Amino acid sequence: QKEVEQNSGPLSVPEGAIASLNCTYSDRGSQSFFWYRQYSGKSPELIMFIYSNGDKEDGRFTAQLNKASQYVSLLIRDSQPSDSATYLCAVMPPSGNTPLVFGKGTRLSVIA
Amino acid sequence: DVKVTQSSRYLVKRTGEKVFLECVQDMDHENMFWYRQDPGLGLRLIYFSYDVKMKEKGDIPEGYSVSREKKERFSLILESASTNQTSMYLCASSLRMGTQYFGPGTRLLVL
Repeated sequence: QKEVEQNSGPLSVPEGAIASLNCTYSDRGSQSFFWYRQYSGKSPELIMFIYSNGDKEDGRFTAQLNKASQYVSLLIRDSQPSDSATYLCAVMPPSGNTPLVFGKGTRLSVIA
Repeated sequence: DVKVTQSSRYLVKRTGEKVFLECVQDMDHENMFWYRQDPGLGLRLIYFSYDVKMKEKGDIPEGYSVSREKKERFSLILESASTNQTSMYLCASSLRMGTQYFGPGTRLLVL
Protein backbone atom coordinates (compact mmCIF):
# COMPACT_ATOMS: atom_id res chain seq x y z
CA GLN A 1 0.00 0.00 0.00
CA LYS A 2 1.56 3.25 -1.15
CA GLU A 3 1.36 5.88 1.55
CA VAL A 4 2.29 9.52 1.76
CA GLU A 5 2.07 11.01 5.23
CA GLN A 6 1.80 14.64 6.22
CA ASN A 7 0.99 16.31 9.51
CA SER A 8 -2.47 17.80 9.04
CA GLY A 9 -1.66 20.90 11.07
CA PRO A 10 -2.55 23.63 11.37
CA LEU A 11 1.01 24.84 11.37
CA SER A 12 1.08 28.43 12.55
CA VAL A 13 4.08 30.66 11.89
CA PRO A 14 4.54 34.41 12.30
CA GLU A 15 4.93 36.60 9.24
CA GLY A 16 8.54 36.70 8.08
CA ALA A 17 9.47 33.35 9.64
CA ILE A 18 10.47 30.14 7.86
CA ALA A 19 7.68 27.60 7.48
CA SER A 20 8.79 23.98 7.30
CA LEU A 21 6.41 21.41 5.87
CA ASN A 22 7.26 17.73 5.99
CA CYS A 23 6.24 14.62 4.10
CA THR A 24 7.24 10.97 4.40
CA TYR A 25 6.53 8.21 1.93
CA SER A 26 6.48 4.44 2.17
CA ASP A 27 7.53 3.30 -1.30
CA ARG A 28 11.33 3.30 -1.29
CA GLY A 29 11.77 3.35 -5.05
CA SER A 30 9.61 6.42 -5.59
CA GLN A 31 11.03 8.65 -8.27
CA SER A 32 9.72 12.19 -8.19
CA PHE A 33 8.14 14.38 -5.58
CA PHE A 34 5.76 17.29 -5.97
CA TRP A 35 4.49 20.09 -3.79
CA TYR A 36 1.10 21.65 -4.48
CA ARG A 37 -0.54 24.61 -2.79
CA GLN A 38 -4.30 24.71 -2.35
CA TYR A 39 -6.13 27.80 -1.17
CA SER A 40 -9.46 27.28 0.56
CA GLY A 41 -12.17 26.56 -2.01
CA LYS A 42 -9.69 26.40 -4.88
CA SER A 43 -7.93 23.61 -6.73
CA PRO A 44 -4.32 22.51 -6.14
CA GLU A 45 -1.60 24.33 -8.05
CA LEU A 46 1.93 23.05 -8.55
CA ILE A 47 4.65 24.88 -6.62
CA MET A 48 7.65 22.75 -7.51
CA PHE A 49 8.94 19.24 -7.96
CA ILE A 50 12.19 17.50 -7.05
CA TYR A 51 13.71 14.17 -8.07
CA SER A 52 17.32 14.30 -6.91
CA ASN A 53 18.58 14.13 -3.35
CA GLY A 54 19.39 17.50 -1.88
CA ASP A 55 17.86 20.93 -2.16
CA LYS A 56 16.07 22.70 -4.97
CA GLU A 57 15.30 26.39 -4.65
CA ASP A 58 12.70 28.49 -6.43
CA GLY A 59 12.28 31.98 -5.07
CA ARG A 60 11.17 31.78 -1.44
CA PHE A 61 10.53 28.04 -1.74
CA THR A 62 13.07 25.27 -1.16
CA ALA A 63 12.28 21.60 -1.60
CA GLN A 64 14.52 19.13 0.21
CA LEU A 65 14.72 15.44 -0.61
CA ASN A 66 16.33 12.62 1.33
CA LYS A 67 15.60 9.32 -0.38
CA ALA A 68 17.47 7.26 2.21
CA SER A 69 15.15 8.57 4.92
CA GLN A 70 12.14 8.63 2.55
CA TYR A 71 11.53 12.20 3.50
CA VAL A 72 10.75 15.33 1.50
CA SER A 73 10.18 18.80 2.87
CA LEU A 74 9.18 22.25 1.70
CA LEU A 75 10.65 25.37 3.27
CA ILE A 76 8.98 28.73 2.77
CA ARG A 77 11.24 31.65 3.65
CA ASP A 78 9.91 35.05 4.69
CA SER A 79 6.41 33.62 5.09
CA GLN A 80 3.57 35.93 4.15
CA PRO A 81 -0.13 35.82 5.11
CA SER A 82 -0.80 35.03 1.43
CA ASP A 83 1.08 31.74 1.94
CA SER A 84 -1.72 30.57 4.23
CA ALA A 85 -3.08 27.50 2.45
CA THR A 86 -3.01 23.72 2.51
CA TYR A 87 0.15 22.19 1.05
CA LEU A 88 -0.10 18.79 -0.60
CA CYS A 89 2.83 16.46 -1.08
CA ALA A 90 2.60 14.03 -4.02
CA VAL A 91 4.87 11.13 -4.90
CA MET A 92 5.39 9.30 -8.17
CA PRO A 93 5.46 5.52 -7.54
CA PRO A 94 8.49 3.51 -8.68
CA SER A 95 6.84 2.15 -11.80
CA GLY A 96 6.43 5.65 -13.22
CA ASN A 97 3.27 4.61 -15.03
CA THR A 98 0.68 4.93 -12.29
CA PRO A 99 -0.85 8.11 -10.91
CA LEU A 100 0.75 10.28 -8.27
CA VAL A 101 -0.02 9.39 -4.68
CA PHE A 102 -1.11 12.44 -2.69
CA GLY A 103 -0.80 13.12 1.01
CA LYS A 104 -3.77 14.64 2.80
CA GLY A 105 -2.02 17.96 3.15
CA THR A 106 -0.76 20.29 5.86
CA ARG A 107 -2.67 23.46 6.62
CA LEU A 108 -0.36 26.44 7.05
CA SER A 109 -1.44 29.64 8.74
CA VAL A 110 0.87 32.66 8.58
CA ILE A 111 0.01 35.16 11.30
CA ALA A 112 0.52 38.85 10.54
CA ASP B 1 -0.06 27.49 -20.07
CA VAL B 2 -1.96 24.33 -19.40
CA LYS B 3 -5.66 24.89 -19.14
CA VAL B 4 -8.08 22.43 -17.62
CA THR B 5 -11.71 23.48 -17.51
CA GLN B 6 -14.69 21.92 -15.81
CA SER B 7 -18.24 22.41 -16.97
CA SER B 8 -19.68 23.74 -13.72
CA ARG B 9 -18.29 25.37 -10.58
CA TYR B 10 -21.39 24.59 -8.52
CA LEU B 11 -24.09 22.00 -9.07
CA VAL B 12 -27.17 21.04 -7.07
CA LYS B 13 -28.88 17.74 -7.88
CA ARG B 14 -31.56 15.52 -6.39
CA THR B 15 -31.02 12.01 -5.08
CA GLY B 16 -31.40 9.49 -7.90
CA GLU B 17 -30.59 11.92 -10.71
CA LYS B 18 -27.97 11.07 -13.32
CA VAL B 19 -25.17 13.61 -13.15
CA PHE B 20 -22.56 14.43 -15.77
CA LEU B 21 -19.37 16.28 -14.92
CA GLU B 22 -17.30 17.36 -17.89
CA CYS B 23 -13.59 18.13 -18.05
CA VAL B 24 -11.65 19.51 -21.00
CA GLN B 25 -7.90 20.07 -21.34
CA ASP B 26 -6.20 21.97 -24.12
CA MET B 27 -2.63 20.64 -23.93
CA ASP B 28 -2.96 17.31 -25.76
CA HIS B 29 -2.27 15.44 -22.51
CA GLU B 30 -2.48 11.65 -22.59
CA ASN B 31 -3.68 11.18 -19.04
CA MET B 32 -6.73 12.53 -17.31
CA PHE B 33 -7.98 11.98 -13.77
CA TRP B 34 -11.06 12.46 -11.63
CA TYR B 35 -10.75 13.00 -7.88
CA ARG B 36 -13.09 13.87 -5.10
CA GLN B 37 -11.94 15.86 -2.12
CA ASP B 38 -13.61 15.84 1.27
CA PRO B 39 -12.50 17.50 4.53
CA GLY B 40 -10.07 15.28 6.39
CA LEU B 41 -9.94 12.67 3.62
CA GLY B 42 -7.72 14.44 1.13
CA LEU B 43 -7.78 13.78 -2.60
CA ARG B 44 -9.20 10.39 -3.54
CA LEU B 45 -8.79 9.05 -7.06
CA ILE B 46 -12.02 7.87 -8.64
CA TYR B 47 -10.95 6.96 -12.18
CA PHE B 48 -8.21 7.82 -14.60
CA SER B 49 -7.64 7.42 -18.32
CA TYR B 50 -4.33 7.06 -20.15
CA ASP B 51 -5.73 7.12 -23.67
CA VAL B 52 -8.93 7.63 -25.61
CA LYS B 53 -11.53 5.01 -24.69
CA MET B 54 -9.23 3.62 -22.00
CA LYS B 55 -10.03 3.85 -18.32
CA GLU B 56 -8.71 2.51 -15.06
CA LYS B 57 -10.38 2.35 -11.66
CA GLY B 58 -8.89 4.43 -8.93
CA ASP B 59 -9.34 3.97 -5.20
CA ILE B 60 -13.08 4.73 -4.98
CA PRO B 61 -14.84 3.90 -8.29
CA GLU B 62 -18.08 2.61 -6.79
CA GLY B 63 -21.10 4.62 -7.88
CA TYR B 64 -19.21 6.34 -10.70
CA SER B 65 -18.42 5.71 -14.33
CA VAL B 66 -16.35 7.63 -16.87
CA SER B 67 -16.19 8.26 -20.58
CA ARG B 68 -13.33 9.40 -22.77
CA GLU B 69 -14.40 9.55 -26.40
CA LYS B 70 -11.94 12.30 -27.36
CA LYS B 71 -8.45 12.94 -26.08
CA GLU B 72 -9.24 16.36 -24.66
CA ARG B 73 -12.45 15.43 -22.83
CA PHE B 74 -13.03 13.22 -19.81
CA SER B 75 -16.49 12.86 -18.31
CA LEU B 76 -17.47 11.62 -14.88
CA ILE B 77 -20.95 10.13 -14.54
CA LEU B 78 -22.90 9.56 -11.37
CA GLU B 79 -25.50 7.03 -12.51
CA SER B 80 -27.84 7.64 -9.58
CA ALA B 81 -26.66 10.44 -7.33
CA SER B 82 -26.72 9.88 -3.59
CA THR B 83 -26.20 12.29 -0.71
CA ASN B 84 -22.87 10.70 0.13
CA GLN B 85 -21.59 11.86 -3.25
CA THR B 86 -21.84 15.48 -2.15
CA SER B 87 -18.25 16.64 -2.54
CA MET B 88 -15.73 18.75 -4.43
CA TYR B 89 -14.83 17.03 -7.71
CA LEU B 90 -11.49 17.80 -9.27
CA CYS B 91 -10.31 16.91 -12.75
CA ALA B 92 -6.62 16.84 -13.67
CA SER B 93 -4.48 16.05 -16.68
CA SER B 94 -0.85 15.15 -17.27
CA LEU B 95 1.42 14.60 -20.24
CA ARG B 96 3.01 11.54 -18.67
CA MET B 97 2.41 10.08 -15.23
CA GLY B 98 4.04 13.07 -13.59
CA THR B 99 2.95 16.60 -12.95
CA GLN B 100 -0.80 16.87 -12.83
CA TYR B 101 -2.62 20.10 -13.67
CA PHE B 102 -5.96 20.61 -12.02
CA GLY B 103 -9.17 22.21 -13.17
CA PRO B 104 -11.03 24.68 -10.92
CA GLY B 105 -13.25 22.00 -9.41
CA THR B 106 -16.99 21.37 -9.25
CA ARG B 107 -18.72 21.59 -5.92
CA LEU B 108 -21.63 19.14 -6.08
CA LEU B 109 -24.47 19.12 -3.60
CA VAL B 110 -26.89 16.18 -3.72
CA LEU B 111 -30.14 16.78 -1.87
